[in-house]
Amino acid sequence: QVQLQESGPGLVRPPETLSLTCNVSDDSVSRGRYYWHWVRQPAGKGLEWIGRMYTTGTANYNPSLMGRVTIARGASANQLSLKLTSVTAADTAVYYCARETAGWGACEFWGQGTLVTASS
Amino acid sequence: QSALTQPPSASGSPGQSVTISCTGVSTDAGDYNYVSWYQHHPGKAPKLTLYEVNKRPAGVPARFSGSKSGNVASLTVSGLQAEDEAYYYCTSYTGGNKLFGGGTKLTVL
Repeated sequence: QVQLQESGPGLVRPPETLSLTCNVSDDSVSRGRYYWHWVRQPAGKGLEWIGRMYTTGTANYNPSLMGRVTIARGASANQLSLKLTSVTAADTAVYYCARETAGWGACEFWGQGTLVTASS
Repeated sequence: QSALTQPPSASGSPGQSVTISCTGVSTDAGDYNYVSWYQHHPGKAPKLTLYEVNKRPAGVPARFSGSKSGNVASLTVSGLQAEDEAYYYCTSYTGGNKLFGGGTKLTVL
């Protein structure tokens, strides 16, 4: 089964840009019928959907983050990227990437998550 | 865009059944069945427990079941076991955007 692993800086200084990569164990980021999601969880709070990208590159974003977030293919065929600009302390969270098979409406595979702290 | 509403906590003794509600799921025809539930143990990746209201991924016990009526979805855990103690989150799609519930902490007494 596919495996996902998030990577990136653990510390981002406001108001810089948060950049994360999701490394996928196969090339399904670029082929097949999948949606690729980013989800985050601030400490002590619930899960928050950030956005998703379809295999073709089309993306949807949480309206509360619109204008700051970009989800796209990474540098290689097995990578997904997340960029969040103008970060504040409120963006401190564990960030997860996940894969949804189109038609399921749900993410079956998840990475283990990576903690990003936004602090000066 | 408001989150879906879940009770903050639920509990039951081993062997009992517990139901967790999720209010505000989509009633749009295209998204009607896109309700899913995740089990989340802190520090671990969320685990898909139910999708399309009541379908179980491979490996999820039949003790987990789901239903939906109008804008309210429910997750029922029957025959509670100690390992079921976790946070449970519902999700729903609305026009390409996903909403999460606030999460319910299920305690097995």
